[in-house]
Amino acid sequence: GEDVEQSLFLSVREGDSSVINCTYTDSSSTYLYWYKQEPGAGLQLLTYIFSNMDMKQDQRLTVLLNKKDKHLSLRIADTQTGDSAIYFCAENRDTGRRALTFGSGTRLQVQP
Amino acid sequence: KAGVTQTPRYLIKTRGQQVTLSCSPISGHRSVSWYQQTPGQGLQFLFEYFSETQRNKGNFPGRFSGRQFSNSRSEMNVSTLELGDSALYLCASSLGGSGDFYEQYFGPGTRLTVT
Repeated sequence: GEDVEQSLFLSVREGDSSVINCTYTDSSSTYLYWYKQEPGAGLQLLTYIFSNMDMKQDQRLTVLLNKKDKHLSLRIADTQTGDSAIYFCAENRDTGRRALTFGSGTRLQVQP
Repeated sequence: KAGVTQTPRYLIKTRGQQVTLSCSPISGHRSVSWYQQTPGQGLQFLFEYFSETQRNKGNFPGRFSGRQFSNSRSEMNVSTLELGDSALYLCASSLGGSGDFYEQYFGPGTRLTVT
């Protein structure tokens, strides 16, 4: 099937904003998620958005959803070196299966 | 509250052997899901257990199996290991209720290397 697509790499300077983009596949997905994975660790749920929302803000994180284009983005304000990690978007494509479909991940590198 | 724990963290096995991985969910969580993470295929759903029953299954061969105990702890087993089974195996727990929202909490993973 089609993949959830993300760009592979993003480099920003400390203090700048980071925007990580994702194109998902299933317009019937009701929730879309952003996870963070640091080296040697599992996945940390950062935030999620319900499909009937356009935007969700959670402290330094802003999620934008364009349902028409199936485009999801995660903006991190005032990016810090501790934000360096791999970021995954995920959708609950087959809601009956209770399984998440993940993108390939975007590696965010924050330069001091 | 303790997070999701997985044991062992690292494992090296030989082709043809079998392996069992363990996952202890967050206290009170009844659903445990397993995912395989590889550089080539990314994160892929293996299966989900809820109340000791496999509720959902991904597209993996029958060599991959699992079970859940009455205390919600789960194990997954891979028989007749192949080189391609080398991966990070992640376990995620959630409350497991009905609905489309899955607030899954992931463990640190077990890194399996097959030689």
